[in-house]
Amino acid sequence: GNSVTQMEGPVTLSEEAFLTINCTYTATGYPSLFWYVQYPGEGLQLLLKATKADDKGSNKGFEATYRKETTSFHLEKGSVQVSDSAVYFCALNGGGSNYKLTFGKGTLLTVNP
Amino acid sequence: NAGVTQTPKFQVLKTGQSMTLQCAQDMNHNSMYWYRQDPGMGLRLIYYSASEGTTDKGEVPNGYNVSRLNKREFSLRLESAAPSQTSVYFCASSQGGAGQGDTQYFGPGTRLTVL
Repeated sequence: GNSVTQMEGPVTLSEEAFLTINCTYTATGYPSLFWYVQYPGEGLQLLLKATKADDKGSNKGFEATYRKETTSFHLEKGSVQVSDSAVYFCALNGGGSNYKLTFGKGTLLTVNP
Repeated sequence: NAGVTQTPKFQVLKTGQSMTLQCAQDMNHNSMYWYRQDPGMGLRLIYYSASEGTTDKGEVPNGYNVSRLNKREFSLRLESAAPSQTSVYFCASSQGGAGQGDTQYFGPGTRLTVL
């Protein structure tokens, strides 16, 4: 079946530091890949997505590239802010008529001023 | 445009009590979902409805039932609550039929405690 493995947190960074959160996946076929973000006390919001190999998703300074050869979708940001403190979830949709998302366990990011 | 709304926000139940969690979306989406979020477990799908009139089990359906009341509303029912159902419950919706790139939109969640 489909699965997502992401680096376990928590991750603590200083403001303006570089961020990488690793995500790898197992899936049959050609899934779509997503990063969702959950701010404290809120629901999940889509951060970015990529639907085919070598696609790069980007939003709010975050980027992730769909790498089929390494089955990875690592999230990066060049300079984090305190407001980026949240839980980040990597997820995949297995494709076809399968509407279901499979989530990783989430990575808590704390950015200190 | 409220997106996905959920009621209640918080609920405390005693073991054996029943309750229904309500979810509504105003985006004219075809598909709706119920997830539970537990520490260290990510989100796990309980039930989903690919379109009005259909429902299917997800990864962890035991102890739950759902009703797709109409295109807007999708409720989750706990018939006899157990402490293991203490969790945060999220409803989500998506356009559906958009293939694997379909984006899901989440509600703010219901925090349920079963004593």
